[in-house]
Amino acid sequence: QVQLVESGGGVVQPGRSLRLSCAASGFTFSTYTMHWVRQAPGKGLEWLAVISYDGSNAYYADSVKGRFTISRDNSKNTLYLQLNSLRAEDTAIYYCARAAAAAAGDYFDYWGQGTLVTVSS
Amino acid sequence: EIVMTQSPATLSVSPGERATLSCRASQSISSNLAWYQQKPGQAPRLLIYGASTRATGIPARFSGSGSGTEFTLTISSLQSEDFAVYYCQQYNDWPPYTFGQGTKLEIK
Repeated sequence: QVQLVESGGGVVQPGRSLRLSCAASGFTFSTYTMHWVRQAPGKGLEWLAVISYDGSNAYYADSVKGRFTISRDNSKNTLYLQLNSLRAEDTAIYYCARAAAAAAGDYFDYWGQGTLVTVSS
Repeated sequence: EIVMTQSPATLSVSPGERATLSCRASQSISSNLAWYQQKPGQAPRLLIYGASTRATGIPARFSGSGSGTEFTLTISSLQSEDFAVYYCQQYNDWPPYTFGQGTKLEIK
């Protein structure tokens, strides 16, 4: 069965960095586009970034462009999100999600359980 | 950026009754709309894609309709496990992919 397991969250000071991981299993990871989505405490869902199946293309939300970097290692079936220059407003649960590609774009057919990032001094 | 607006913010319905949730896009998104259910402490779960196609394993009491800018999620006879927050998401025009702010479905 499809499983996505995030890790790497924790408490970090403003301005510092963190790298999140998402370990995938139960499907051929190297053939799927993958996404990161976050949810601030008590708030809604915010899409952050997408990476193509081979890592050749990536796109970002304006709120994180230039600070966050999505990447993947298909040999390890793992998706990453590098978070730099963290701010208090980046405090959220971070989810990885698999793309179920439609003709126009993606919806998300499987989600991980999320990892909590807290930015605080 | 396409803005997704859900209404109402909170919907109070009794078990066994019908619930109707709305989602509006700021411009046409054809049928490129998905609905997700999220329960407290859990990740979102895909319910509907293509505006009206149920995802694998989703009960028939969940149905989606609409196209263009107006969409509806209907739950025909509410079960206790259906009380949750529901989000719509457009995937017609990206980046960014955008979600509505959510509708909380609560027990009346």
